[in-house]
Amino acid sequence: KAGVTQTPRYLIKTRGQQVTLSCSPISGHRSVSWYQQTPGQGLQFLFEYFSETQRNKGNFPGRFSGRQFSNSRSEMNVSTLELGDSALYLCASSFEGIWTGNTEAFFGQGTRLTVV
Amino acid sequence: GNSVTQMEGPVTLSEEAFLTINCTYTATGYPSLFWYVQYPGEGLQLLLKATKADDKGSNKGFEATYRKETTSFHLEKGSVQVSDSAVYFCALSVSGNTPLVFGKGTRLSVIA
Repeated sequence: KAGVTQTPRYLIKTRGQQVTLSCSPISGHRSVSWYQQTPGQGLQFLFEYFSETQRNKGNFPGRFSGRQFSNSRSEMNVSTLELGDSALYLCASSFEGIWTGNTEAFFGQGTRLTVV
Repeated sequence: GNSVTQMEGPVTLSEEAFLTINCTYTATGYPSLFWYVQYPGEGLQLLLKATKADDKGSNKGFEATYRKETTSFHLEKGSVQVSDSAVYFCALSVSGNTPLVFGKGTRLSVIA
């Protein structure tokens, strides 16, 4: 079956702009989580959506937001981009949620965002 | 809070060498523990997991044992290959309502 698809793979934006990233989970999966990966901070949890509702949120400013559609596809939006937002953004899908311990999270290849 | 500490890399080994990547954790409650691997240009893939104390996860020659007494989940492989070159992440989750928490990752380079 198809894996987790993230688009676009690469993105270059200017400071102050906004950006929208997309994630299509594995068919049948209802949970989508987003992570920011940087060399300095590693993998940091942004938020998780389950059946169109935000179920958990990490410690990021309000410029970072997301949503999930009825087909489980998810988007995340970053407004007023800053240089420090340059990172690899990873999306993970699972059937119920990545913290059950019995559910595997499947990750996409990520979107590499560069803010100049 | 919940946290994971991994040994810092990079780690460079010759082919067929023994690998250990240390991982210790702090958690409220009883976590499940995971090792994920990230190959160049790819997302993360689950390598192995253990859901309770003394469980041993294994996959592709890699092993890790959930040690509650030392709060550790060290990754080992008896004989590494060039194809094992990647970044390895230790992670935990606590059942309830918390997300996966990752360590900072350890980059492994295996040279022929």
